[in-house]
Amino acid sequence: SQQGEEDPQALSIQEGENATMNCSYKTSINNLQWYRQNSGRGLVHLILIRSNEREKHSGRLRVTLDTSKKSSSLLITASRAADTASYFCATGLIQGAQKLVFGQGTRLTINP
Amino acid sequence: DTAVSQTPKYLVTQMGNDKSIKCEQNLGHDTMYWYKQDSKKFLKIMFSYNNKELIINETVPNRFSPKSPDKAHLNLHINSLELGDSAVYFCASSHMGDGKKETQYFGPGTRLLVL
Repeated sequence: SQQGEEDPQALSIQEGENATMNCSYKTSINNLQWYRQNSGRGLVHLILIRSNEREKHSGRLRVTLDTSKKSSSLLITASRAADTASYFCATGLIQGAQKLVFGQGTRLTINP
Repeated sequence: DTAVSQTPKYLVTQMGNDKSIKCEQNLGHDTMYWYKQDSKKFLKIMFSYNNKELIINETVPNRFSPKSPDKAHLNLHINSLELGDSAVYFCASSHMGDGKKETQYFGPGTRLLVL
């Protein structure tokens, strides 16, 4: 069954506001990753947080991970129109290769 | 100088046909993957190869057969195409060697439509 569940499924905010997306998962992980997908395009890796980390920053992105609650959040600060895309969380489990299990994504729309 | 490339980008075909999708990466990675994204944007792993060896093989019909001629290529052959095979297929690569870098780099996708 699908590992990750994202909340909300869709989010629409004004440019300049912060956007928060949440992800919950069910089983053990080695890491959790966030990807962005623009309409009709491939996925672009944004940030990775390992299971022994609690928070990570990259530019305007902030990711938290709570392994006790099996949840993660992605915060995009000072949103821009170019941030409009679908955002996916993916749990990573290394079994020979890295098996990524994706959530269903959050569709983020930034209104100018 | 595209990192992960897929051909074709679009594929429209009739039910029952056999088709192949090709993937190439020039990142020097040792691991490649195939994912399927359905109409609801749900993305699911299908296969993974590490150094030409099949590592991950999810519950996928045996009509789907991956082939890795070398570390830089992972092709996907689909026999007897069915309507439900219509989806976007993404190839990805990563380097699992020393240091276990977990980031996967995705190709642009192949949009398959079975009529």
